[in-house]
Amino acid sequence: AQTVTQSQPEMSVQEAETVTLSCTYDTSESNYYLFWYKQPPSRQMILVIRQEAYKQQNATENRFSVNFQKAAKSFSLKISDSQLGDTAMYFCAFMKQGAQKLVFGQGTRLTINP
Amino acid sequence: DAGVTQSPTHLIKTRGQQVTLRCSPKSGHDTVSWYQQALGQGPQFIFQYYEEEERQRGNFPDRFSGHQFPNYSSELNVNALLLGDSALYLCASSREQFYEQYFGPGTRLTVT
Repeated sequence: AQTVTQSQPEMSVQEAETVTLSCTYDTSESNYYLFWYKQPPSRQMILVIRQEAYKQQNATENRFSVNFQKAAKSFSLKISDSQLGDTAMYFCAFMKQGAQKLVFGQGTRLTINP
Repeated sequence: DAGVTQSPTHLIKTRGQQVTLRCSPKSGHDTVSWYQQALGQGPQFIFQYYEEEERQRGNFPDRFSGHQFPNYSSELNVNALLLGDSALYLCASSREQFYEQYFGPGTRLTVT
């Protein structure tokens, strides 16, 4: 069974700063996908960024980028130039190829302060 | 293009009762997955429906059951409610062969 661990329950930074959220996972699978989801107080789970395990290049979406270390089974999220609207719970998630079933970590509560 | 919708938004039930939650997938999506998110936790996979059949199931008791209709919408039924069933229930839709899941706003179930 796959497991996802987020070791930072809470983080807090000032607006415009850069913040990195950590995620490690455990799997024996070779082909899989990794995701970061954002869940603001409105509860809607929003996909922030995704990474295919077979791709060596780290994914980037505007201010959001990942550091994917396949051998170390690490998948961190970097948010640059943080904004107040980035305040939310962030979940790291794993999906085995072909499964269409997400395995989530416990989440990191990120607060961006003005 | 409407995204994933869920109803109702909130629900309060008494222990021992039964509840039905509903989900309409994003247009063009044919697969629906249900997740339970307890307070302060990450979502946990309940089950997934494709072509009106349960295709995968997580570690949840038989009290949790579901259905998918020909228009791809889905229901989650929970019988004999327990206090521990209080949670946010999330529905996610996707297209077969595609891995990206889109989530609805969830239904907050409170069991008293």
